[in-house]
Amino acid sequence: GAVVSQHPSRVICKSGTSVKIECRSLDFQATTMFWYRQFPKQSLMLMATSNEGSKATYEQGVEKDKFLINHASLTLSTLTVTSAHPEDSSFYICSASARGGRETQYFGPGTRLLVL
Amino acid sequence: AQKITQTQPGMFVQEKEAVTLDCTYDTSDPSYGLFWYKQPSSGEMIFLIYQGSYDQQNATEGRYSLNFQKARKSANLVISASQLGDSAMYFCAMREGPGNQFYFGTGTSLTVIP
Repeated sequence: GAVVSQHPSRVICKSGTSVKIECRSLDFQATTMFWYRQFPKQSLMLMATSNEGSKATYEQGVEKDKFLINHASLTLSTLTVTSAHPEDSSFYICSASARGGRETQYFGPGTRLLVL
Repeated sequence: AQKITQTQPGMFVQEKEAVTLDCTYDTSDPSYGLFWYKQPSSGEMIFLIYQGSYDQQNATEGRYSLNFQKARKSANLVISASQLGDSAMYFCAMREGPGNQFYFGTGTSLTVIP
């Protein structure tokens, strides 16, 4: 299957700082990337959908100014958690869908964020 | 209403036996896709199998098969010859709509017993 990477895999930061998470599709062009958040023992919660070159579409209840998403190219999307607080601690997973949009989503390995 | 329902929070299966993980879905879109993903303790979501709404035959991928019953709106995952490495969370998902959004179920934790 297609390969999607995420960096960093783990990050610990102080409250009030910003954290950037990168999501890359390594062997295919992803017109659409998705960002999810997952709390322990729970399902994935879609945060936003980003299409290359356009603004991300955020799910209801997700703060756009808090979670900045940039999809600058067909292989890279970034999620920046601004002014992180302890309640932002979670497992963040990105996924990428190949050109055409109606393809399987391939997931990155996830990023564990811990805000102290 | 929930788009994807997985009613089994936890399942146990003996090694080498088959197990069925249930999934029902809700959509009015005639074109949709159904997926199963495995999530081991490492957290990575691993794609297992896909079934399109117009596919006439049930999807199969190695030891995985999808029992697609369109009229009942169910898409159960069957794992044959369970292995210890199959112990993980399993998520059923559906893609639908013009935005190709994914909806995930709450997951089923599968434990394979030696």
